[in-house]
Amino acid sequence: DTEVTQTPKHLVMGMTNKKSLKCEQHMGHRAMYWYKQKAKKPPELMFVYSYEKLSINESVPSRFSPECPNSSLLNLHLHALQPEDSALYLCASSRRTGDNEKLFFGSGTQLSVL
Amino acid sequence: QKEVEQNSGPLSVPEGAIASLNCTYSDRVSQSFFWYRQYSGKSPELIMSIYSNGDKEDGRFTAQLNKASQYVSLLIRDSQPSDSATYLCAVRIQGAQKLVFGQGTRLTINP
Repeated sequence: DTEVTQTPKHLVMGMTNKKSLKCEQHMGHRAMYWYKQKAKKPPELMFVYSYEKLSINESVPSRFSPECPNSSLLNLHLHALQPEDSALYLCASSRRTGDNEKLFFGSGTQLSVL
Repeated sequence: QKEVEQNSGPLSVPEGAIASLNCTYSDRVSQSFFWYRQYSGKSPELIMSIYSNGDKEDGRFTAQLNKASQYVSLLIRDSQPSDSATYLCAVRIQGAQKLVFGQGTRLTINP
């Protein structure tokens, strides 16, 4: 089973709302990632968790707050977002963060900020 | 210079022909290279990985790597309309824990 599950698939939120994106994998992977993808652009890395610890934050604004409650779950908490934050948010996982590790993506959450 | 560069296309190929997608990268110590396929509105799907110089074949797909020239390519033989998608080249920078993507090449297979 090489599945990464993301919920919800679609989310519409206002600029004053608080919402959370959820990601789950049961492949025993110990590295999990959040990427952001705008239309017709490549995915851009936001955060990397390795063994449940945040190892990379690509200078993401604090209105995005990641959380890794355990080795299978990854959340992205959203607060006071801007319309320009509308994008496809992709969760991914790999066995480790090593150089040859393959990344597997979930189906994504399409976020619209009004 | 961008870390990973691809021709954004669109690349149009007739059905049954070979589609050739190219990618160059700037980091000489990059270790691993991946090709992802992304259909419109969907997430990227891993189709090939390659780690050493030469060719790697998987069904209709062949990945080619030349580390001296910092060049990686993807060949799709007997192209089908279902191969129409954006193909993303991705490079794992050694020791950096992250995958860096090229801009993607939009491929259209014409029946």
